[in-house]
Amino acid sequence: ETGVTQTPRHLVMGMTNKKSLKCEQHLGHNAMYWYKQSAKKPLELMFVYNFKEQTENNSVPSRFSPECPNSSHLFLHLHTLQPEDSALYLCASSPEARDRGNQPQHFGDGTRLSIL
Amino acid sequence: AQKITQTQPGMFVQEKEAVTLDCTYDTSDPSYGLFWYKQPSSGEMIFLIYQGSYDQQNATEGRYSLNFQKARKSANLVISASQLGDSAMYFCAMREGGYGGSQGNLIFGKGTKLSVKP
Repeated sequence: ETGVTQTPRHLVMGMTNKKSLKCEQHLGHNAMYWYKQSAKKPLELMFVYNFKEQTENNSVPSRFSPECPNSSHLFLHLHTLQPEDSALYLCASSPEARDRGNQPQHFGDGTRLSIL
Repeated sequence: AQKITQTQPGMFVQEKEAVTLDCTYDTSDPSYGLFWYKQPSSGEMIFLIYQGSYDQQNATEGRYSLNFQKARKSANLVISASQLGDSAMYFCAMREGGYGGSQGNLIFGKGTKLSVKP
């Protein structure tokens, strides 16, 4: 069983829809992250939460809205997305956002999002 | 300028042979950490190995070892005795600042697709 669970695994939505991606970690970590992975591009960090507080927003458009109700759960609310937003969205967690340095981030399987 | 460069978009290796995946990085910070991740077709990013900039020895984890050449700013991943299950995308990543990169965010390269042939 993976320590980081993402749902749904696949999502197809129209540009006017509203949907949410969910991430849950069972590792007792305090930092959670959203990444976007597009074809032929490096992983892009979107948001960082540390102890439920957002510590980083990497110039992400407002049509992506994150929510972190507690250290174990992270959501990404989506509304009026564009076709270029189609990508794999990965959630990750780590003990803390600023730690001893050698702590890897643990990733979920991702949600593959397609915008029609 | 790219912080992490992986020059091999795709690699093939025969089963049971060793393979080296290249990674070069660019940083002016004396303290950083380097990571390698594996991403199978299922999508999950799996952590493989870590090397801190101040570590004296090259990191090893089972069949994975990191050929760390600090002066050349390279951190190549060596996989020994390749298995069919090693077929995946492999990503090199770096964190800068703090001890071993403790203060920075992960910066990823574009990845190398490894295919293991039976």
